[in-house]
Amino acid sequence: ILNVEQSPQSLHVQEGDSTNFTCSFPSSNFYALHWYRWETAKSPEALFVMTLNGDEKKKGRISATLNTKEGYSYLYIKGSQPEDSATYLCAFLAGANSKLTFGKGITLSVRP
Amino acid sequence: NAGVTQTPKFQVLKTGQSMTLQCAQDMNHEYMSWYRQDPGMGLRLIHYSVGAGITDQGEVPNGYNVSRSTTEDFPLRLLSAAPSQTSVYFCASSYGLAGTYEQYFGPGTRLTVT
Repeated sequence: ILNVEQSPQSLHVQEGDSTNFTCSFPSSNFYALHWYRWETAKSPEALFVMTLNGDEKKKGRISATLNTKEGYSYLYIKGSQPEDSATYLCAFLAGANSKLTFGKGITLSVRP
Repeated sequence: NAGVTQTPKFQVLKTGQSMTLQCAQDMNHEYMSWYRQDPGMGLRLIHYSVGAGITDQGEVPNGYNVSRSTTEDFPLRLLSAAPSQTSVYFCASSYGLAGTYEQYFGPGTRLTVT
């Protein structure tokens, strides 16, 4: 069983604050890293799929970076808004025929 | 497109009962999978399929069976429900292998086993 760690476990910020999360994964046999956003009472929705070391992806105020050699990915949210409140999941794939292993998620709460 | 649909949304079973959770997608996705979500555990893969007629076990397959007779449907069967199977179940699909394509999740089925 692969170990995918996310930190911090939860985060409470004020509207307008920028924030970032970390996803750590085994650096050997890397294939892909996914980020998902999961709002309460809804289903997870994909944010990014990253496959190359050094990848940087952006969607609006949310961006992500990937370092496969040291085994981590950062997710940044610039100027957090209350609608950003959700759980953010990362998922790691160790090989092309392997299975996605999810982290436990980071719960973000943005106060207006 | 309806995307990924799951039925039922809620279900209560008694220990020992059997049932099938239904999952269907209309995006012609080859890859489908079932996850369970438990507090403090994150999403854990139960079974997955890379195409019609092909299934394989995930991280927590015990107590569950799957089959994939068509591209669209991927039902999950509980043969003899146990309280440990109380969970929220999500079905997901993607265009190809799970790694390089984003997964689309269904709305979930909340199952309680008493």
